[in-house]
Amino acid sequence: QVQLAESGGGLVKPGGSLRLSCVASGFTFSDYYMSWIRQAPGKGLEWISYISSSGGNTYSADSVKGRFTISRDNARNSLYLQMNSLRAEDTAVYYCAKEHVVVPATLDHWGQGTLVTVSS
Amino acid sequence: DIQMTQSPSSLSASVGDRVTITCRASQSISNYLNWYQQKPGKAPKLLIFAASNLHSGVPSRFIGSGSGTDFTLTINSLQPEDFATYYCQQSDSLPWTIGQGTKVII
Repeated sequence: QVQLAESGGGLVKPGGSLRLSCVASGFTFSDYYMSWIRQAPGKGLEWISYISSSGGNTYSADSVKGRFTISRDNARNSLYLQMNSLRAEDTAVYYCAKEHVVVPATLDHWGQGTLVTVSS
Repeated sequence: DIQMTQSPSSLSASVGDRVTITCRASQSISNYLNWYQQKPGKAPKLLIFAASNLHSGVPSRFIGSGSGTDFTLTINSLQPEDFATYYCQQSDSLPWTIGQGTKVII
């Protein structure tokens, strides 16, 4: 079955960097667009970035543009989120998610999430 | 950006009730609307895609409807496992945006 496992979260100081990883299994990773979504404590969901199946196309929300970079390694079935210049408002659980096979921009499987805390 | 507004923000219901949640888009999104369910401490799960299509494994008591700017999620005969927060998400245009959520509580 489809499994997505995030890692790399933790406590980081404002202005610092962190790299999140998401390892996929149970499906042909290289065939699917992938996304990162985050959820601040007690708040709603915010989609922040997606990447095409080949990695050639990416898009990021304005809130993270220029600071966060999404990438993937299809040989390793892995998705990444490089987060730089972190701010307190980036504190959240970060989820990776797989796009539906037929319906674009529809997230049909999600990982369990990894918590990023930005604090001095 | 397309704004997604859900109502109500929360509602109280009992097992067996019929519950309706509304999602409104700030501009027409045709039927590019998805619904997710999230339980405390867990990842969201896809319930309905393209406004009215049930995702695999989702019980038929969940019904999605609407098009354009106004959408509804109806849960018929609410079950104990349905107490959760529900989110709508538009997939019409980037950036994909998500409603603020509706919490269904006992």
